[in-house]
Order: sequence, then structure tokens, then C-alpha cells
Amino acid sequence: ETGVTQSPTHLIKTRGQQVTLRCSSQSGHNTVSWYQQALGQGPQFIFQYYREEENGRGNFPPRFSGLQFPNYSSELNVNALELDDSALYLCASSPQRGEKLFFGSGTQLSVL
Amino acid sequence: AQKVTQAQTEISVVEKEDVTLDCVYETRDTTYYLFWYKQPPSGELVFLIRRNSFDEQNEISGRYSWNFQKSTSSFNFTITASQVVDSAVYFCALSDARTSGGSYIPTFGRGTSLIVHP
Repeated sequence: ETGVTQSPTHLIKTRGQQVTLRCSSQSGHNTVSWYQQALGQGPQFIFQYYREEENGRGNFPPRFSGLQFPNYSSELNVNALELDDSALYLCASSPQRGEKLFFGSGTQLSVL
Repeated sequence: AQKVTQAQTEISVVEKEDVTLDCVYETRDTTYYLFWYKQPPSGELVFLIRRNSFDEQNEISGRYSWNFQKSTSSFNFTITASQVVDSAVYFCALSDARTSGGSYIPTFGRGTSLIVHP
């Protein structure tokens, strides 16, 4: 059974650029959530997708957007990057909403 | 709104000591779930336990134990005879229906960094 995989592991961008992060959910999981974790902080919820529909959204601006594909993999897109977007972005999948989350190792994004 | 407070930012112990990580939560729902996750230096959060609001039984799993008390809105985590491999950041999380429109999306605390010295 393959776990949650994220790519890339590290990324360096400059302010104003756009970035796409990718996530493959664990086999059989139809729910994918994205979290932003700043240094020394807990994960902050960005949004969740359930069966290709956005199912919930945290307090993040519209320049944070996402997709879930028919195979339940997912993308997180961030436009007009700002310095404060520098963080670890975590993807998590679960077999159903409300169940325990299975996390990937994250993508470390640095915005210069 | 749901809220999780982990007041201990960092705890440092010597191997074989017992250590308790505190978690206090707030929710208006009667149905909710509490979680603990471990984040080692590799970055990947690892699930430890999930407890629903109707089950106040304490749980023990090897050296780990959890104490859930609704009266004080706490869900504390104790590691007995700590080991160096226990060094990590531990997160408490809460999910309820009211805050997330029925989706039970977890809110995480800020985490407690546990350092176990040999």
C-alpha cells in the first residue's frame, strides 16, 4: 500500500511568481486536505477536497486554489507568491471525512 | 469555533523519565473528535490516536497513554519511560461538525516540542 506522496520536496520561488504543489493520496482515500505549517507553528487548514469537490476552506485568500482529480490525487496552486507564503505545505488523505489523516512528508516552499 | 491550546511550547527530559503533554480544547458541539499526531524531524505527521467525545475511557498503548476528561476539556498524553526516539513535536487536534459545516476538519494546536536527552 503506497502512502501519501508529495512533490517536489523543496522549492524556491521569488515574490510574485506562481507555484503548483502535487499530492498523491493513499490508495482508496477519497478525501484530500492541504495544510500550511509555518516554522514553529501547527498546521493551518487551507482546504479539503472530497470526490473532486471543494469540501471546506480555511482562512486563506483566493490566490490559494486547488484541484482534485478522478484518481483522487490533488494539486495546490498559489498565485502571486508573498514572502509570508514560505512554509511547509502538507497534504493529507483520509478514507472518509472525519477519519484520521495520513500525511505526506510535505513540500518546503521558500519565497525570496 | 473550535480551538486547541497546547500551553507547553517545549519540554526537555532525560531518558526514562515520564512526561505528560497537555491539551485543552474548546468546542460548542457535543459530537467531536480529538487526535494526537507526532511530527519527527522528517516532517511527516504520524497519527497516534483518535478519540470521540462519547468515549471518555482512558487508553494505553505500550508506553503511551491518554487521559480524556470532558469536565476540564482536556486530552492529555503521557509517555512513560521516555526514549530518545520519542523526541519530536506532538500536536493535539480537534474536529467537530459545527465549525466545518459537517466535514469534521481538524484544527491543530501549536504543538509541543519534546526533547529526550540520553
